[in-house]
Amino acid sequence: EDQVTQSPEALRLQEGESSSLNCSYTVSGLRGLFWYRQDPGKGPEFLFTLYSAGEEKEKERLKATLTKKESFLHITAPKPEDSATYLCAVQRGGSQGNLIFGKGTKLSVKP
Amino acid sequence: GAVVSQHPSRVICKSGTSVKIECRSLDFQATTMFWYRQFPKQSLMLMATSNEGSKATYEQGVEKDKFLINHASLTLSTLTVTSAHPEDSSFYICSAAPIDRNTEAFFGQGTRLTVV
Repeated sequence: EDQVTQSPEALRLQEGESSSLNCSYTVSGLRGLFWYRQDPGKGPEFLFTLYSAGEEKEKERLKATLTKKESFLHITAPKPEDSATYLCAVQRGGSQGNLIFGKGTKLSVKP
Repeated sequence: GAVVSQHPSRVICKSGTSVKIECRSLDFQATTMFWYRQFPKQSLMLMATSNEGSKATYEQGVEKDKFLINHASLTLSTLTVTSAHPEDSSFYICSAAPIDRNTEAFFGQGTRLTVV
């Protein structure tokens, strides 16, 4: 059964304190691994898609990496506005909209 | 980026009544849209896949007679929660992927349903 597990559930950082979020997955044939950001009461906002082990993508202070079993979202020198819940998901069907999500990591960055 | 609009953002209804939620892709067409549900501190769970011009596909455990889905055009899908009960209170989110390019799916802003 396809499964996505994220850790930690919650992470508190000081502004400027770099860290990483983990996403472990089991899926029969990875078609795509996605990272989204979700603010309270809002829908997920797309960050990255990774397709194969060894792939990396960056956007501002965020960098996503992928291995055969897990993905990491590295946050470098975070700012308070990076506070949000970060969701990891794997594509299940033929469409990139058919996703299995993890429970997310709630990130709080204190000034 | 592409925009998906969901309406209403919040709704409170009485137990036993029905509520309709709309999901529109504003600047692209989508033959397939997806409806998710998110309970507090839980994952987004796929409820059903909405297919333009044909019947929706429901995930295991989701009652198709309770959650009616209509996808009448390439830019609009609706989810109707029929005979709502307090346990249906949740955050409902739709998503859509453009048909003319292989990109990620875009999510609506979600609808907070509270059944009293």
